[in-house]
Amino acid sequence: DGGITQSPKYLFRKEGQNVTLSCEQNLNHDAMYWYRQDPGQGLRLIYYSQIVNDFQKGDIAEGYSVSREKKESFPLTVTSAQKNPTAFYLCASSMTGVGRNTEAFFGQGTRLTVV
Amino acid sequence: QKEVEQNSGPLSVPEGAIASLNCTYSDRVSQSFFWYRQYSGKSPELIMSIYSNGDKEDGRFTAQLNKASQYVSLLIRDSQPSDSATYLCAVNWGSGGYQKVTFGTGTKLQVIP
Repeated sequence: DGGITQSPKYLFRKEGQNVTLSCEQNLNHDAMYWYRQDPGQGLRLIYYSQIVNDFQKGDIAEGYSVSREKKESFPLTVTSAQKNPTAFYLCASSMTGVGRNTEAFFGQGTRLTVV
Repeated sequence: QKEVEQNSGPLSVPEGAIASLNCTYSDRVSQSFFWYRQYSGKSPELIMSIYSNGDKEDGRFTAQLNKASQYVSLLIRDSQPSDSATYLCAVNWGSGGYQKVTFGTGTKLQVIP
């Protein structure tokens, strides 16, 4: 089955630690995205990538880093510089181009909690 | 100015009524428009996509697009309590190989039995 897999589903971080959230897709999509969602709020874009070895900052990139070494993978690192990382993190992917078949598909999300 | 705007709600409708959800966007270059449904604690799931002006119907859902007014809407007929969720409008910006999908903040829908 094609899809997007995020892991882990739940993650606990101690103060001052870096943690990495995994996102893998086998949909052959060029574009991948990371969003953060706080309780009762909408999606806020952290980073996005159109092609391998290229990515752009979204609206709230401070305290986060990403890499795109393979088309299938777009891991997100939450660094110690991110002072309030407790949130629901969503990874998505889509085809590039215009018009049809460019909708984004989501993974199941990772819920990160600072302990 | 936000790129995609939605009323946050909550929008409350009685069971069996028509729910009308609205979204405006700021860039006339946009080509693709999507509606997602998100249940609490879950990831968004695509329910409708629309690419040209007019209406597109799929079961109880109808998406409406008016590019001149930069407006897209979602109608849910015969609303059911299971439709209670947050509905996200999304717009695909850009052209050619460079693009991104931007989401509105969502409208919370409550269907009252």
